[in-house]
Amino acid sequence: EVQLLESGGGLVQPGGSLRLSCAASGFTFSSYAMSWVRQVPGKGLEWVSSISDNGNRPFYADSVKGRFTISRDNSRNTLYLQINGLRAEDTAVYYCAKYGSSWQYFDYWGQGTLVTVSS
Amino acid sequence: QSALTQPASVSGSPGQSITISCTGTSSDVGGYNYVSWYQQHPGKAPKLMIYDVTNRPSGVSNRFSGSKSGNTASLTISGLQAEDEADYYCSSYTSNPRVFGTGTKVTVL
Repeated sequence: EVQLLESGGGLVQPGGSLRLSCAASGFTFSSYAMSWVRQVPGKGLEWVSSISDNGNRPFYADSVKGRFTISRDNSRNTLYLQINGLRAEDTAVYYCAKYGSSWQYFDYWGQGTLVTVSS
Repeated sequence: QSALTQPASVSGSPGQSITISCTGTSSDVGGYNYVSWYQQHPGKAPKLMIYDVTNRPSGVSNRFSGSKSGNTASLTISGLQAEDEADYYCSSYTSNPRVFGTGTKVTVL
């Protein structure tokens, strides 16, 4: 059974940093691209970042480029999102999502971790 | 990258069919046969319902079907049931490489 378990969310002050983690199990982690998707409470889904199976190709939404860094450790079956320079508008639930056999769709999602940016 | 456009809400009675549209551009929906649809119940993670425009993952009811014409994709739910009440999001591959729709709240009357 595929499982994605996010952690690392919490309350942080504006300008602060966080590192989100996503522990994966139930599939060959190193064979699949992964992604982070966020959702402001009560609002829609927003794609944030994606990374190739070997970690060599990261992609970012314009809204987070230069502040967020996606990475992965295939030996630990873990996906990361380093978030710097946090802003109030970054407050959201952050989901880890697994791509299907290609980059075309997300076939599994974690339950999400809430990041709240407030002073 | 602008979000794909969906109607804010769609409603129907049990047993009826409803269709949710998802309008993009030739750079996303119209340019690739890589539209997917996700169902999200309140407080839950999204769930894949349709991928590559028309394909259903194993375990998803055949009451859900997808199609595309030009820059607009559609999700049809036939035989509407109470459990179908949820938010639905479309998504398309782009060069960026992903964009989501604005979301549609489906209400079962």
